[in-house]
Amino acid sequence: SQQGEEDPQALSIQEGENATMNCSYKTSINNLQWYRQNSGRGLVHLILIRSNEREKHSGRLRVTLDTSKKSSSLLITASRAADTASYFCATDANYGQNFVFGPGTRLSVLP
Amino acid sequence: NAGVTQTPKFRVLKTGQSMTLLCAQDMNHEYMYWYRQDPGMGLRLIHYSVGEGTTAKGEVPDGYNVSRLKKQNFLLGLESAAPSQTSVYFCASSYFQPRPYGYTFGSGTRLTVV
Repeated sequence: SQQGEEDPQALSIQEGENATMNCSYKTSINNLQWYRQNSGRGLVHLILIRSNEREKHSGRLRVTLDTSKKSSSLLITASRAADTASYFCATDANYGQNFVFGPGTRLSVLP
Repeated sequence: NAGVTQTPKFRVLKTGQSMTLLCAQDMNHEYMYWYRQDPGMGLRLIHYSVGEGTTAKGEVPDGYNVSRLKKQNFLLGLESAAPSQTSVYFCASSYFQPRPYGYTFGSGTRLTVV
């Protein structure tokens, strides 16, 4: 069973706009991660946020975590065509021995 | 370059055939994982290993076996391939918990069972 669920399933925006993706999960976590996957490639780690953190930044990426609502969001500012990819959240499971991935959000950034 | 290498990249099998997928990492990671990715399903964990000589079942282990004889290698075996095992398989590795720094993924193996 999936722990995390991304929303929306697909998102299409114009270059320069901001993109926001959400992740909701069911049980308490210690860590939550976001990954990017370009078509036909493996996943690339973007950001890890711990349960005692509320916000983290990395370049144009901003991740928030609300443990009371069991949700996280990934914001990509000033999007570029190169940001076109699928984005996955992953939550820790089995006492941190592995992470469970959601089905992903497909982001299309149109030039 | 350091990373996770998967071989082969593509394979077509006939139903009932067997094969082994190889994953190798050179980052001295303790943990290694095998996931399968199907359209609309995200990644599902098949098996994982928390150290040399150890293996554990994930969410969808049936029809697969694994071995971790060396720390840097994690092998995934299909004993008798079925069409339902048509998928893209990803290997990943990471440092040990409770400080996961994120997984490093291989580029995937696209397997078709006919």
